[in-house]
Amino acid sequence: AQKVTQAQTEISVVEKEDVTLDCVYETRDTTYYLFWYKQPPSGELVFLIRRNSFDEQNEISGRYSWNFQKSTSSFNFTITASQVVDSAVYFCALSSGGGADGLTFGKGTHLIIQP
Amino acid sequence: DAGVIQSPRHEVTEMGQEVTLRCKPISGHNSLFWYRQTMMRGLELLIYFNNNVPIDDSGMPEDRFSAKMPNASFSTLKIQPSEPRDSAVYFCASSLAELYNEQFFGPGTRLTVL
Repeated sequence: AQKVTQAQTEISVVEKEDVTLDCVYETRDTTYYLFWYKQPPSGELVFLIRRNSFDEQNEISGRYSWNFQKSTSSFNFTITASQVVDSAVYFCALSSGGGADGLTFGKGTHLIIQP
Repeated sequence: DAGVIQSPRHEVTEMGQEVTLRCKPISGHNSLFWYRQTMMRGLELLIYFNNNVPIDDSGMPEDRFSAKMPNASFSTLKIQPSEPRDSAVYFCASSLAELYNEQFFGPGTRLTVL
């Protein structure tokens, strides 16, 4: 069975601080896909990134970066110079078939950026 | 382009009533997913379809829940009879299976069963 653990239930930082959201996953599959989604207070789920198990390169997109380490089964998400608009619940998710398979979500991390 | 469309956005009903949630996936997508979000259980997959065929319904909580996808552009999730513990936000998502890409989520239906 697949499992995603986001141990940080809530994180509160002051604007402009860097913050890292942790994600640890469990799967027996050799091929799998990892995702991060953002859920702002309005409630929709916004896709941020997809990673497959063969690609361990770190990725940077503006103030966002992701660190994928198969050795520790982790896929952590860092926001640099956080802004109030980053306040949201962030979900890490796992699937065997990318978009063709159901996602197993973590419980989410509620990120609060204080001005 | 229109995203995933769900209706209604909000539904308030009384225990015992039948509830039908509707979803229109993104045009051209061939995989459709129903998820439920609650405080207690988080986001959980209920059922998904590929090319209109149900592939995995192991997440459907009880026989009171049923889902159909009569064609590529429409799906329903029905709860009959509804119970207060069914209160949740129900999300529909779609994707193009062959690209192994992300799932695009609809805005969700907030269901309250009194």
